[in-house]
Amino acid sequence: DQQVKQNSPSLSVQEGRISILNCDYTNSMFDYFLWYKKYPAEGPTFLISISSIKDKNEDGRFTVFLNKSAKHLSLHIVPSQPGDSAVYFCAASGEGGATNKLIFGTGTLLAVQP
Amino acid sequence: GAGVSQSPSNKVTEKGKDVELRCDPISGHTALYWYRQRLGQGLEFLIYFQGNSAPDKSGLPSDRFSAERTGGSVSTLTIQRTQQEDSAVYLCASSLWAGLGNSPLHFGNGTRLTVT
Repeated sequence: DQQVKQNSPSLSVQEGRISILNCDYTNSMFDYFLWYKKYPAEGPTFLISISSIKDKNEDGRFTVFLNKSAKHLSLHIVPSQPGDSAVYFCAASGEGGATNKLIFGTGTLLAVQP
Repeated sequence: GAGVSQSPSNKVTEKGKDVELRCDPISGHTALYWYRQRLGQGLEFLIYFQGNSAPDKSGLPSDRFSAERTGGSVSTLTIQRTQQEDSAVYLCASSLWAGLGNSPLHFGNGTRLTVT
């Protein structure tokens, strides 16, 4: 059973527009959420995170929103740039206090068209 | 470089053979993790080391899988009697300490294992 779900395997947006990547989770014990970005043949790199005590965290062009009641988070990238084209993984932690064991989604491939 | 280093980057092996995958974490990072990503899947947690504590092996899929971390630094993931379903990218990560809040994982580029 997939505890962290990214239901859109791919997303295509035009340069300059907003990219919205979605993630749903099922475990209410999760208390920390992260987004990682992965280019081909490279390992994932940390992008942004949010604690369950917040509902928004912003870092430059990247904003993560958390809706605990809906068990949903989203990553907004604005404006999108061609260099943002990558696979984006949502991850969660905190189940049973196991904060050092991330549960990852299956990823969303973002393509930003010039 | 200062990042997490994994070797080999690619490994092709015959079914039934043993393989060893190596990870050099970032210097000074006390926590080390192994994940794997099979085709079309998310990253799957395998094992976690923190300092001198007993590792968390809860993600290892079978007793054919084992890992060790020597001297609190380099780690080796060993897969015995490989099976075709072991084909995946094996990713190692390290973090400064075990609490994820302000210590995100830094991943290596992975080892792509293909079992024929």
